Amino acid sequence: DIQMTQSPSSLSASIGDRVTITCRASHVISFYVAWFQQKPGRAPKSLIYAASSLHSGVPSRFSGNGSDTDFTLTVNSLQPEDFATYFCLQYNTYPLTFGGGTKVEI
Amino acid sequence: EVQLLESGGGLVQPGGSLRLSCTASGFSFSSYAMSWVRQAPGKGLEWVAGVSDSGDTTFYVDSVKGRFTISRDNSKNTVDLQVNILRDDDTAVYYCAKDHGLYGMDVWGQGTTVTVSS
Repeated sequence: DIQMTQSPSSLSASIGDRVTITCRASHVISFYVAWFQQKPGRAPKSLIYAASSLHSGVPSRFSGNGSDTDFTLTVNSLQPEDFATYFCLQYNTYPLTFGGGTKVEI
Repeated sequence: EVQLLESGGGLVQPGGSLRLSCTASGFSFSSYAMSWVRQAPGKGLEWVAGVSDSGDTTFYVDSVKGRFTISRDNSKNTVDLQVNILRDDDTAVYYCAKDHGLYGMDVWGQGTTVTVSS
């Protein structure tokens, strides 16, 4: 199985900060990485697919990058509604696997 | 509106069974693979099972193989997860999600809660 190592597990930031979250895959997975945002008690929301493409309606302050094994999610100019937990997902190979999550706190 | 609505969760004793169901609306259900993803209390996301658009092909995480069965009925726009021989560590919110190929899991339901406890 492909392991997705996500870091950091949590971070503290302020409004307007730029934050970067990293996922490293245990095997080459091309660009088949998605990023999700989840708020307490809510279902995950898809932000990015194919490593760097934004889903419709996702603010442009979110961006994704990477290929093969190393991937990043960056949030520019953090807004109050961005405080949440973020997960990466590899969907190159079954079983699909998620990173452990990053909680972004004020 | 594109929507997924799960049902069927509940409290069950260890060793018991449940049938979770997800009803889709607002998109061409038979054109997409579907997945079930779970989240244990206070934990991360775990993909559990997937089924192809036709229903011919299924995939499972190792921890549920032989206990869980995913199936779909394209005439009813539903995807089910039969969960058997339940264990304490199966306690979780179970989400169904639409697999949009390159676009990943782009639509999620609100989840249904399974609690395994004696």
